[in-house]
Amino acid sequence: NAGVMQNPRHLVRRRGQEARLRCSPMKGHSHVYWYRQLPEEGLKFMVYLQKENIIDESGMPKERFSAEFPKEGPSILRIQQVVRGDSAAYFCASSPQSYRDSTYEQYFGPGTRLTVT
Amino acid sequence: QKEVEQDPGPLSVPEGAIVSLNCTYSNSAFQYFMWYRQYSRKGPELLMYTYSSGNKEDGRFTAQVDKSSKYISLFIRDSQPSDSATYLCAMSAPQGAQKLVFGQGTRLTINP
Repeated sequence: NAGVMQNPRHLVRRRGQEARLRCSPMKGHSHVYWYRQLPEEGLKFMVYLQKENIIDESGMPKERFSAEFPKEGPSILRIQQVVRGDSAAYFCASSPQSYRDSTYEQYFGPGTRLTVT
Repeated sequence: QKEVEQDPGPLSVPEGAIVSLNCTYSNSAFQYFMWYRQYSRKGPELLMYTYSSGNKEDGRFTAQVDKSSKYISLFIRDSQPSDSATYLCAMSAPQGAQKLVFGQGTRLTINP
């Protein structure tokens, strides 16, 4: 059973360009989460999605950042007009069930390391 | 004040030692507690998951939760060089349980 897959693993963008990060959850998982890890800091929650729905985006910056999880295909985290402060590792996690089922384990992918030059 | 506090270390111990890693938290609503291990430039790997107070053991790892003190611990027995990594505590509340709040992580080195 393949784990959470993320691509690309490394992404270099110039200031002002767009960055698209992709995440395919584990087989059988329908809940996706995005976290950001700045250098020497812990992971910070960004957004929680289910298929075709954004459930909680309280950790997303108000501008330039968006996320989607379409009916078909991977979840996408999109950063428009990147700035140097966006340089970080972006991790995707997935879980098999919702909180209503009392199962909260989140399994993480290898991350995408974004460098803005 | 951060919701979750974790000493970043670094922590260095000899092989075979018992390692104790800790986190404190301020949000009394947290009910779900996790420990992740993260190797350099890799994704976090779920080690232990505990609901509410009490102990949980899995092989060489023991997780403890003391909700009265808002304090959680991870113990590693018979530590191995392969345990060298950053250990992250994470927790969540029933309301919004999908949003994990992480500690900063403790960098651990086990010396052969």
